[in-house]
Amino acid sequence: NAGVTQTPKFRVLKTGQSMTLLCAQDMNHEYMYWYRQDPGMGLRLIHYSVGEGTTAKGEVPDGYNVSRLKKQNFLLGLESAAPSQTSVYFCASGMTGGAGRYFGPGTRLLVL
Amino acid sequence: GENVEQHPSTLSVQEGDSAVIKCTYSDSASNYFPWYKQELGKRPQLIIDIRSNVGEKKDQRIAVTLNKTAKHFSLHITETQPEDSAVYFCAATAAGNKLTFGGGTRVLVKP
Repeated sequence: NAGVTQTPKFRVLKTGQSMTLLCAQDMNHEYMYWYRQDPGMGLRLIHYSVGEGTTAKGEVPDGYNVSRLKKQNFLLGLESAAPSQTSVYFCASGMTGGAGRYFGPGTRLLVL
Repeated sequence: GENVEQHPSTLSVQEGDSAVIKCTYSDSASNYFPWYKQELGKRPQLIIDIRSNVGEKKDQRIAVTLNKTAKHFSLHITETQPEDSAVYFCAATAAGNKLTFGGGTRVLVKP
């Protein structure tokens, strides 16, 4: 049982480049989330999913897209990276009703 | 949407003393309130949670209280130890099972 995993761990992009961050969970959780955490700041919700094939916007969705084609995977895409997207990205998953929010180890992204 | 305020932003305590962190929320429909501990460079880890039908919950040295009427909840850490030094986040559910986080409290336990 690996819990929540994220790929890659660290990435450097140039402005305008695109990339996809992968989150995978093996706990059969319905709910999956993408958060970003800027230095010294709290966690802000980017997008989330309440089940396979569903996605919804969070607090800061602009510049990001997501897909949940399989229950265990939640992908976060940056189509045209900007320096303002330099951050640590955390994926989380949970069960219906709010219990058991498990976080992945994070992806550190630097956009130059 | 939901708004969660957390105080204080930093807290320094002597080893063995108690630490209290307070959060307020805006959405009266929120019904789940978890607390997370985040060590430097690590992921947030759930340490305790409480549901709206419970007023208090305790797990060893940590406890959480909830006042639904006033829309605030608190984390209490007793007999603090150096390994309790970390950033602590409160959170509350909003519509659609989204978690909204407070801004965090940096706790430093001085030996």
